[in-house]
Amino acid sequence: RKEVEQDPGPFNVPEGATVAFNCTYSNSASQSFFWYRQDCRKEPKLLMSVYSSGNEDGRFTAQLNRASQYISLLIRDSKLSDSATYLCVVNHSGGYQKVTFGIGTKLQVIP
Amino acid sequence: DADVTQTPRNRITKTGKRIMLECSQTKGHDRMYWYRQDPGLGLRLIYYSFDVKDINKGEISDGYSVSRQAQAKFSLSLESAIPNQTALYFCATSDPGTGGKDNEQFFGPGTRLTVL
Repeated sequence: RKEVEQDPGPFNVPEGATVAFNCTYSNSASQSFFWYRQDCRKEPKLLMSVYSSGNEDGRFTAQLNRASQYISLLIRDSKLSDSATYLCVVNHSGGYQKVTFGIGTKLQVIP
Repeated sequence: DADVTQTPRNRITKTGKRIMLECSQTKGHDRMYWYRQDPGLGLRLIYYSFDVKDINKGEISDGYSVSRQAQAKFSLSLESAIPNQTALYFCATSDPGTGGKDNEQFFGPGTRLTVL
């Protein structure tokens, strides 16, 4: 089983739709979690951290489910500018807090 | 100006050539990383450095070497390039505990390397 698994998509959704991505992780000792956004041929950039209590930033909501070992990202009222690849990132415990990136989920918002 | 820069941005080379990719940062971070990104495989860690005297192998270090010349500079070398090293290479920095964003990594713009 991969350490971090994501559905690569693509997810094609109309403008205004709500879309959700999940990401599962295998290491139950994982400590922190993030969603990064990567535009085509660009570098990844932090979108938001994911906290145990869940967190929201505008149209974006991130949730963590430790029991089932997954994190989710919900995007409401999708915009064309949301089209990108969303990377799930998990920080494991250990001497070096190992960071593992998922392969990313591609989102295409359609007019 | 960008906080993390990489040179070159694009490079085409031939099998067996020695290649150096350079990374500079103005963020003042101690931690620096080199990743490669391949379609369907995501970002994979090649090497990382927590300070000038600390260099560590990542999960795919074979065929690569690094040099941390200063806090701000971290270079990646391919001693004898081979075609399966064709990939998009990213440098990143982090500073633990910055603004509560634990281990947020700041990436450079990437170097697209093609080995023929």
